[in-house]
Amino acid sequence: EIVLTQSPGTLSLSPGERATLSCRASQSLGTNYLAWYQQKPGQAPRLLISGAFSRATGIPARFSGSGSGADFTLTISRLEPGDFAVYYCQLYGTSRGTFGQGTKVEIK
Amino acid sequence: EEQLVESGGGLVKPGRSLRLSCAASGFRFDDYAMHWVRQPPGKGLEWVSGINWNSGDIGYADSVKGRFIISRDNAKNSLYLQMNSLRPEDTAFYYCAKVPVEMATVIFRYFDLWGRGTLVTVSS
Repeated sequence: EIVLTQSPGTLSLSPGERATLSCRASQSLGTNYLAWYQQKPGQAPRLLISGAFSRATGIPARFSGSGSGADFTLTISRLEPGDFAVYYCQLYGTSRGTFGQGTKVEIK
Repeated sequence: EEQLVESGGGLVKPGRSLRLSCAASGFRFDDYAMHWVRQPPGKGLEWVSGINWNSGDIGYADSVKGRFIISRDNAKNSLYLQMNSLRPEDTAFYYCAKVPVEMATVIFRYFDLWGRGTLVTVSS
């Protein structure tokens, strides 16, 4: 099974700052089948990014995905108050598809 | 508006059974694979099971294989999860989730629509 490790566990930032979240796979994925989700307390996850780079419908341009192989990144260019949440990466397109453990972005 | 609404959660004793349902609306249900994803309170996400559009392709996480059964009724726009031999570690919010790609296989699983979840608590 491929393990996805997200770092850092918690990111403490202020509104307006840039957030960089990492998702590292235990082996090269060989594909770009990586998704990112945002989850706020008491809510279901919301799809942000699929195919490592493609923003989902209605997702603002301040969210961007990058990376390849085993290293992927979600960048939030300028944090807005509604962006403080937990973010998960997810591998798909394989029977070993799995979620990372999450990164919490909290207000500093 | 696309919507998924789960029901059927509750408190159940270890070893007992529970059946979850998910009612879909606002999209052509029979075009899409559907999945269950769970989340223990305060913890991360775990894929549980998935079923393709015509029930010909089904998958389960190792943690539930042999105990849980996924099914769907396209005429009723509904997804189900029969959970047998429940264990305390099955305690979680259970989400119904839709794949954005028509006619996808169950391994092509990322989710553009989620329900609000239903809580299953397994405890004596």
